[in-house]
Formats: sequence, C-alpha cells, structure tokens
Amino acid sequence: KAGVTQTPRYLIKTRGQQVTLSCSPISGHRSVSWYQQTPGQGLQFLFEYFSETQRNKGNFPGRFSGRQFSNSRSEMNVSTLELGDSALYLCASSTSSGRSYNEQFFGPGTRLTVL
Amino acid sequence: DAKTTQPNSMESNEEEPVHLPCNHSTISGTDYIHWYRQLPSQGPEYVIHGLTSNVNNRMASLAIAEDRKSSTLILHRATLRDAAVYYCIRLQGAQKLVFGQGTRLTINP
Repeated sequence: KAGVTQTPRYLIKTRGQQVTLSCSPISGHRSVSWYQQTPGQGLQFLFEYFSETQRNKGNFPGRFSGRQFSNSRSEMNVSTLELGDSALYLCASSTSSGRSYNEQFFGPGTRLTVL
Repeated sequence: DAKTTQPNSMESNEEEPVHLPCNHSTISGTDYIHWYRQLPSQGPEYVIHGLTSNVNNRMASLAIAEDRKSSTLILHRATLRDAAVYYCIRLQGAQKLVFGQGTRLTINP
C-alpha cells in the first residue's frame, strides 16, 4: 500500500505570495491532518479534515487554510506569505472516523522557503 | 497546553536497552499517552500508545506509572536505526497531536 504523498517536496516563494500544498492520504484513510515544523517552535498542529469537513483546528492565523476533497486528498493554502512561514509542512492520514484515536501516518513533508 | 516533559537528549550504545522517560503530571483520566519518533529527514512515525497498563509491540514497550503521571518508552535492544527524536504526546483531541520538543536519542556503535 502506498504511503502518504506530498507535493511538491520543495518550494521557494517570496513574501506576499500565496502557496498551495497537496497531500494524498493512504488509500482508505479519510482523516487528514496538517502540521508545521520549525526549528524554533517544533511540530505544531494546523488542522484536521475528515469527510471534507474541518474537524479540529490549531492556533494559526486565518492566512492558513485547508480543504479536503471527496477522494480524501487535501490541500492547504497559505496566503500573504511571511518569512516566518518557512517550515516543513507535514501531512498525516489515519483511519480515524470519530471519537477514537487511530495512529497517524506521516508523509515526507513539503519544505517551504519564503524569501 | 497539554504538553509533556522529556529530557532534551539521551545517548546509548548499540544493542543495549534504552529507557526514555516522560513526565505528564497533569494528565487526566481519559488521556492516552502516545509515542512517535522522527528519523532524520523523515516525517514522524507512530511507535506505541497506552492508557493505564504496560503495552508491548514489535517496536517497543511502554511502561506507565501507576499514578499515570509518568511513563517510559523502552527500546529493548537499540540499533543505529533507532537514532531519532522521540516524542511523548498526551492526546488532546481525537486526531490532534500536541508535540513537545522531544528527546534526541543518539546510538553509539
């Protein structure tokens, strides 16, 4: 079974631009979560989607948004990029359907550099 | 915030057991303890999780204190491939993992 895939793997943008990152979960997984990893703040939860609905949200500004499609693929968008948005963005999928927790499978991440 | 406390780094030798401690003194009765690890240049991967009793799987064992305020991840026989950052996580929401700084484990050959 293929793992979680993220595209692109590397991205360079300039301040003020916007960016869209893509995540394809493991087949059959309907929950997709996004995390940001920086050297200073570590791994931080952005949001989680299940069946095209945002189910959980972290403490990030509204410039960070996401969506999930009917095939469970997910995208996250960051508008008006700032230097501090430079990070590794990780996507994780799981079979979780509701109250119980199921282990999350992480992709390799997208390395975003904002100049 | 529901973070846990772990040592910043630990070192061990290959083929020896490793005990990685974690403090979660404010844990509530229904919070699970999860462990993930992140190998260099990779996304995190699940290791193990538990609620009250000790748990074992093919990767590791998890020993949870009776008062549940601390736990220990045990790698029975460390290999060089176990060098990673290990995160002890108190589950906050169904699929929301709150990561701390983790423990960077170095394995000496």
